[in-house]
Amino acid sequence: EDQVTQSPEALRLQEGESSSLNCSYTVSGLRGLFWYRQDPGKGPEFLFTLYSAGEEKEKERLKATLTKKESFLHITAPKPEDSATYLCAVRPADYNFNKFYFGSGTKLNVKP
Amino acid sequence: DAGVIQSPRHEVTEMGQEVTLRCKPISGHNSLFWYRQTMMRGLELLIYFNNNVPIDDSGMPEDRFSAKMPNASFSTLKIQPSEPRDSAVYFCASSLKATGFETQYFGPGTRLLVL
Repeated sequence: EDQVTQSPEALRLQEGESSSLNCSYTVSGLRGLFWYRQDPGKGPEFLFTLYSAGEEKEKERLKATLTKKESFLHITAPKPEDSATYLCAVRPADYNFNKFYFGSGTKLNVKP
Repeated sequence: DAGVIQSPRHEVTEMGQEVTLRCKPISGHNSLFWYRQTMMRGLELLIYFNNNVPIDDSGMPEDRFSAKMPNASFSTLKIQPSEPRDSAVYFCASSLKATGFETQYFGPGTRLLVL
């Protein structure tokens, strides 16, 4: 069964304290792995798509990496405005390729 | 681009009432997805459409739920009759379906409370 697990569930950082969020997945082939940011009361906002192991994407203080079984979202020198829930989703390569399987998210809180 | 538009943004209703949620996808997108988000179960895919045709409704929890997409710019999700356990945030998302690698873009959601 296709599955996506995110850890930790919650993460509290001081401003400037770098860390990483993890997304591990088990799908029958990967067509894409997606990272979203969700602020309270809003819909998920697209951040990155990764397609193959070894790929990396960067945006400001965020860097996403992908291996064959997991992805990491590295946050360098975070600021309070980076506080949000970060969601990971995978798209399988089989006939269900239009379905995204979401993890339960990591709630990040960055204190000034 | 206006992004995905959903209405209403908030809905409070009583158990047994009919609820209709509405979605306008991004112009030019031909895949549309309805999700439900709760604290307990996270984001769950309910149903998705390609070119206005329902492709997979295996996530629809019960026959009380139905969805339609009469044209490329409008979709509805209906719950009849509603129950308190239907309380959740319902999201609509859209994407292109040209190659199957496209990203899904989400609307702001409808927060539903069934009393």
